[in-house]
Amino acid sequence: SSELTQDPTVSVALGQTVRITCQGDSLRRFYASWYQQKPGRAPVVVIYGKKNRPSGIPDRFSGSSSGNTASLTITGAQAEDEADYYCVSRDSSGNQLIFGGGTKLTVL
Amino acid sequence: QVQLQESGPGLVKPSETLSLTCAVSGYSINSGYFWGWIRQPPGKGLEWIGSIYHSGSTSYNPSLKTRVTISVDTSKNQFSLKLSSVTAADTAVYYCARHHDYGGNSPLLDYWGQGALVTVSS
Repeated sequence: SSELTQDPTVSVALGQTVRITCQGDSLRRFYASWYQQKPGRAPVVVIYGKKNRPSGIPDRFSGSSSGNTASLTITGAQAEDEADYYCVSRDSSGNQLIFGGGTKLTVL
Repeated sequence: QVQLQESGPGLVKPSETLSLTCAVSGYSINSGYFWGWIRQPPGKGLEWIGSIYHSGSTSYNPSLKTRVTISVDTSKNQFSLKLSSVTAADTAVYYCARHHDYGGNSPLLDYWGQGALVTVSS
């Protein structure tokens, strides 16, 4: 399979917890990585591997995976977390990179 | 610090070939990793175009494969994208990025260029 499916929009109240999901058959074989993109900026990785967080990324960002679904959780969302979030993995053959369609997160 | 910088014409005519170069500093392309191109049409999501391994082997998005060529110039520490027969649908911000498979099974694009807007118009 060569598709990753994300909800187009998600909203969360300031300080609350939100989960952004990514579904695809290839996620049974590969972990997803997650990227945050703010307007006019290049994407930045926030989670990779099973649940790794690059240095400089706040620990309110966490990742998990089960079956064909990868999840990005923000615990205590802040106003600066409002952005587009993309999951990335490989297709089932491992030959291609595939991007999810992106989720626009609104912090209310 | 690894840095990537895209360069090339910002305007390309329909049916012509789009050419971009990504200059890499702070890391030798010869040393490893994949080097890829990703694009983002205005207001839309990210799309992987293709990648080249430091050894020169390439992989491309099947939807673009017939029009794409990615090459590497290790002497200049840069890699390039050519996309032929462009149409308005190819108008996008084009990013270059370094990536590898963390743990063997998690693609990680750890360094990105700032992006270059290419408009296809006559």
